[in-house]
Formats: sequence, C-alpha cells, structure tokens
Amino acid sequence: EPEVTQTPSHQVTQMGQEVILRCVPISNHLYFYWYRQILGQKVEFLVSFYNNEISEKSEIFDDQFSVERPDGSNFTLKIRSTKLEDSAMYFCASSDREEDQPQHFGDGTRLSIL
Amino acid sequence: AQSVTQLGSHVSVSEGALVLLRCNYSSSVPPYLFWYVQYPNQGLQLLLKYTSAATLVKGINGFEAEFKKSETSFHLTKPSAHMSDAAEYFCAVSFGTASKLTFGTGTRLQVTL
Repeated sequence: EPEVTQTPSHQVTQMGQEVILRCVPISNHLYFYWYRQILGQKVEFLVSFYNNEISEKSEIFDDQFSVERPDGSNFTLKIRSTKLEDSAMYFCASSDREEDQPQHFGDGTRLSIL
Repeated sequence: AQSVTQLGSHVSVSEGALVLLRCNYSSSVPPYLFWYVQYPNQGLQLLLKYTSAATLVKGINGFEAEFKKSETSFHLTKPSAHMSDAAEYFCAVSFGTASKLTFGTGTRLQVTL
C-alpha cells in the first residue's frame, strides 16, 4: 500500500538555526498538509497546500515557517530560525482529490531544538 | 468553528472486554469524522471514517463507530479488546476536501490481562 514518507526521523538542531523537514506524499495525491504534536499534547494543524499554493494556515504558521513543493515528489517544511518551543513531532499528510478521501500520515519527524 | 472533545485521557480495559472511546464534536455544518490510532513512535493510522453515508462505520482491526447527529457523537467501539490494541486514539473532524483536520486531545487505551 502506498505511504507517506518523511525524513529524517529525528532532527536535532541548535536554536536559531534553519531546519528543513522533508516529505514524499503518496504519488497521485494532490493535497498536502503539515501538522505538529508537542510532546503530550494533541495534534495541531499547521498548513495545507494545493496547486502550488497555501490553501489554509493556522496561527502557529507564522513568518518563520514556509512550505514548498520543489519538484513533483517532495513537499518540505522550513523553519527559518528555530526556537525551543518548535520542539515537536512534525507530521506530513496527503489526500486525494475526492471529497471524502481521508488524509494519510507519515511516521513523523521528531524535531529537537537545543 | 469546529472542535472535538474526547472524554477520558486514559481508558483501561481487560483483554476480551468491550472497548468504548468517546468522542463528541461541535460543527456548524455536516462534518466528516475520523478515528486515527497512534502506536508508540509511529505516525497516525486511519481506523475509520464517516463521510455522510452509513451512520455505523466499520474500520480496521475490528473497530467500529456510530455517528449520532442528535448527540453530536462519534464513539469508537470494539467488542473484545486485544493486547495489540494498546495505543493512543484520536478523534478528528473536518469539512471535506483539502480541509484541515481538527483533533481531539486523544485517549490512551491500556489493555490488561
């Protein structure tokens, strides 16, 4: 069964540094998402992306965050200047064009900011 | 605005007992509802979904959920718990294509011998 792939599985970065999290969505999917889960808390929506532009973003997704689909397969989340509070598990998801299709999630990237 | 409430952050059942995980939603329009399961150090796996078809939805691993509009509920059940069911379960709501998922706070299911 096709799956969403995320790399790396764990990223350790110094505060203030830039980090790029990478995702390969399911190949025929058209909608892409990033979510995060701070340890012990619920999963929170960050941003959705369709047709090479952001569809919706949350209050969390401020100017420090950006997303990109640099080629036909990858979908990236960049954090320009990381803060301690950015430490979390980041999940990528994708979904098909059909109205009732669910979002499929990757295994996540655990981001640790030191 | 949409929201999801999961009653009980921790639920413990004996192996073979009924599993009932509660989810109530708030939505101004007909929602799509989902249950996801998260095993330790893994991502979110879809258990089942409700998208305005049958109100009783069957999912993987013997789980099912019933959409009750009058109660704004979408509780998850399984007749007989197995040790392998121990995980965190998340209820989520959306409004359809390309719509963000809003998650509940999750319920950790413990299964004891």
